[in-house]
Amino acid sequence: ETGVTQSPTHLIKTRGQQVTLRCSSQSGHNTVSWYQQALGQGPQFIFQYYREEENGRGNFPPRFSGLQFPNYSSELNVNALELDDSALYLCASSMGRGQGYEQYFGPGTRLTVT
Amino acid sequence: SQKIEQNSEALNIQEGKTATLTCNYTNYSPAYLQWYRQDPGRGPVFLLLIRENEKEKRKERLKVTFDTTLKQSLFHITASQPADSATYLCAPLNNNAGNMLTFGGGTRLMVKP
Repeated sequence: ETGVTQSPTHLIKTRGQQVTLRCSSQSGHNTVSWYQQALGQGPQFIFQYYREEENGRGNFPPRFSGLQFPNYSSELNVNALELDDSALYLCASSMGRGQGYEQYFGPGTRLTVT
Repeated sequence: SQKIEQNSEALNIQEGKTATLTCNYTNYSPAYLQWYRQDPGRGPVFLLLIRENEKEKRKERLKVTFDTTLKQSLFHITASQPADSATYLCAPLNNNAGNMLTFGGGTRLMVKP
């Protein structure tokens, strides 16, 4: 088990609603990356935060936004939920900027949009 | 366009044999490539990182090769055990995407006793 925690573990929302997912990074890590993983597929990179600033973004629309706090924990916000947003959302912390470092993943939040 | 290909079909092998998983990538030249293990309902777990100037890397029963000419990485598990059954993901570092990891779809390995 890594020291990365995520909350909640499961969530059910209705189309059009907004959701906030939370991640606490492993001690000593200053970088958090968020991923979306649909069933049967690999994780897709959403964005990364390094020392409270966005440090890279994947091919996701602006309704996916994030935040990193001074203690390096992070939030992922998704507005105007769509059915296709149903997935496992993973956060991963690491020791440096970029992703040339080992990523420590949390257990994920399973989001279901109905 | 950039693509990562892993065998989408499950790999079934007998306990004690060597499992070999393949990761092919096209249209970019990663400086690193990472391999992760993922169990159902859980987050991926880091296994190995190999750099472009390294041909091979080993860790206990695991071995990874990285052929930048063929644009391919092979992941081997020797003396496989039922506990090795999981999905294995390769993740080249995409230097065309701000040096971020791009994950393949994974290959499910089933080791039968």
